[in-house]
Amino acid sequence: QVHLVQSGAEVKKPGASVKVSCKASGYTFTNYGLSWVRQAPGQGLEWMGWISGHNGNTFYSKKFQGRVTLTTDQSTAMAYMDLRSLGCDDTAIYFCARVEGLVPAGAFDSWGQGTMVTVSS
Amino acid sequence: DIVMTQSPDSLAVSLGERATINCKSSQSVLYRSNNKQYLAWFQQKPGQPPKLLIYWASTRESGVPDRFSGSGSGTDFTLTISSLQAEDVAVYYCQQYYINPFTFGPGTKVDIK
Repeated sequence: QVHLVQSGAEVKKPGASVKVSCKASGYTFTNYGLSWVRQAPGQGLEWMGWISGHNGNTFYSKKFQGRVTLTTDQSTAMAYMDLRSLGCDDTAIYFCARVEGLVPAGAFDSWGQGTMVTVSS
Repeated sequence: DIVMTQSPDSLAVSLGERATINCKSSQSVLYRSNNKQYLAWFQQKPGQPPKLLIYWASTRESGVPDRFSGSGSGTDFTLTISSLQAEDVAVYYCQQYYINPFTFGPGTKVDIK
């Protein structure tokens, strides 16, 4: 059974960075990619980027390019989302989601439980 | 960016009745090389992550009840719940995964009448 378990809630000050982790289990990590999606309180879903579990290739939303870095550690089946220069509008729940196949354009078939990131002075 | 719109914003349907949600993309999400529609539907209940229901516009995800079906092509898509159950109360989102950035619709809230 596929499981994506994310790290716990974070509280950050404006201008800081946050790193959220996503531990994958129940499948072969290198056969899939992972996308990151966020959801501001009471709002809709926003895709941030994708990373290959096979070779670490990345594909970022233009909105977040330059401010977000996605990485993986194949040895531990972990994925990480690093977001810099946080502003109050980055307050959101951040999700990792497994993507079918090894290209960005695939179905998001399993999701982590989400990590709440609060940015406040 | 491809803009996804959904209608209605919310709907209330009696138990056992049909619920229909529409989704429109600002440009086609059909990739002609493989004839696939890069369109998915998700269900999200309060306090939970989204759950994949439908992908490639009409392929039901494993384990999803067959009362959920997806249809459409090009720019116009529909999610149908053929016989609404109490556990279907949720917000439903469509998403295109054809062009960066992959964008979601604003969501449709489904409730029991």
